[in-house]
Amino acid sequence: QVQLQESGPGVVKPSGTLSLTCVVSGVSISSSNWWSWVRQPPGKGLEWIGEIYHSGGINYNPSLKSRVTISVDKSKNQCSLKMTSVTAADTAVYYCASIISGMVHFDSWGQGTLVTVSP
Amino acid sequence: QSALTQPASVSGSPGQSITISCTGTSSGVGSYNLVSWYQQHPGKAPKLMIYEGGKRPSGVSNRFSGSKSGNTASLTISGLQAEDEADYYCCSYAGSSTFYVFGAGTTVTVL
Repeated sequence: QVQLQESGPGVVKPSGTLSLTCVVSGVSISSSNWWSWVRQPPGKGLEWIGEIYHSGGINYNPSLKSRVTISVDKSKNQCSLKMTSVTAADTAVYYCASIISGMVHFDSWGQGTLVTVSP
Repeated sequence: QSALTQPASVSGSPGQSITISCTGTSSGVGSYNLVSWYQQHPGKAPKLMIYEGGKRPSGVSNRFSGSKSGNTASLTISGLQAEDEADYYCCSYAGSSTFYVFGAGTTVTVL
């Protein structure tokens, strides 16, 4: 049973960098899963940010690609998200989610962490 | 603006059946039977309800079913219950450049 737990600063200043971590438990991060990030602005819908495979495969949402970096730390069994040049529009709950390799649906989700961009 | 169009809200009485539509493009929903549906209660994470158009994960009630016709995918909830009141999102794999797109979500209200 895959369990995901996001963590990171709850507030980031405009033009700063958002950094979040997703700790994976119940399975190795080197297993046959893609690790994704999805966000949800308050009162709005879901937006896929990007995904990473342990062997180095990475895909990003074209609309966010220039500002986003996703990485994996196998020694800590976690993945990370960095987003640069944030604005108020990046205020959202950020979720970590898993996709079984070869599939195209998000089968497990973390509880999410709220990030507010504010001076 | 979402690439997938869902109605903002759908309502029904307990015991009734309701259907939520999710309309995409011929190159997205129309080309792949890879739509998934997620249920989200307030303040909670999304939960996978349907994948690959009509498959249910273990543990999801068989009152939930999915289908597709042309460019439109649908989620049907039969025997509507109070606990089904939530937001529902469709998601489609959109190819190797866009990857995943979500609908704007549908709020289901049990009258």
